[in-house]
Amino acid sequence: KAGVTQTPRYLIKTRGQQVTLSCSPISGHRSVSWYQQTPGQGLQFLFEYFSETQRNKGNFPGRFSGRQFSNSRSEMNVSTLELGDSALYLCASSPGQLREQYFGPGTRLTVT
Amino acid sequence: GQQLNQSPQSMFIQEGEDVSMNCTSSSIFNTWLWYKQDPGEGPVLLIALYKAGELTSNGRLTAQFGITRKDSFLNISASIPSDVGIYFCAGQPLQGAQKLVFGQGTRLTINP
Repeated sequence: KAGVTQTPRYLIKTRGQQVTLSCSPISGHRSVSWYQQTPGQGLQFLFEYFSETQRNKGNFPGRFSGRQFSNSRSEMNVSTLELGDSALYLCASSPGQLREQYFGPGTRLTVT
Repeated sequence: GQQLNQSPQSMFIQEGEDVSMNCTSSSIFNTWLWYKQDPGEGPVLLIALYKAGELTSNGRLTAQFGITRKDSFLNISASIPSDVGIYFCAGQPLQGAQKLVFGQGTRLTINP
């Protein structure tokens, strides 16, 4: 099976802009989670989607949003970018609840 | 919020040595996962643990789910150069469904 894919791999944006990141889960996986990784805060949970519904949400401001499509692909959007949003954004897919999660390679976002 | 304390933060060892790292929490976790992350890549799942007391091996790697459900350890035997990287523990809290809580990571460096 193909692994989790994320596009784009690298992105440079300017403060105030918005960005959309894409994630395609492993075939058959219906749960998609998003995480932010920074040197200072480590890996932090953003949100999780299952069957097009957000099931869990982390402690991030409303500028961070996501959605999931009927084919389980997911997108994450960050509006009004801030310098502190620079991070590696990771998507993970899972076959079901409370099971292992498999990560994609991540999207490296740099905000200038 | 829930936190995982992972130790040690870094290790400098000789090739061929055994490695041991652990994670502890003040909260109970339902699942423990161990990941390895190389620079610029997403975490790769090494071992998943689902039952208290479970001991699971994956090649030279062995991990255990603590009896109290509040800790886990990972051992690597006979380390080789490709073991270099950052190892993360992650737990799924009982109430958190697919949300993963991560440790701070253990950076492993191997001297040939």
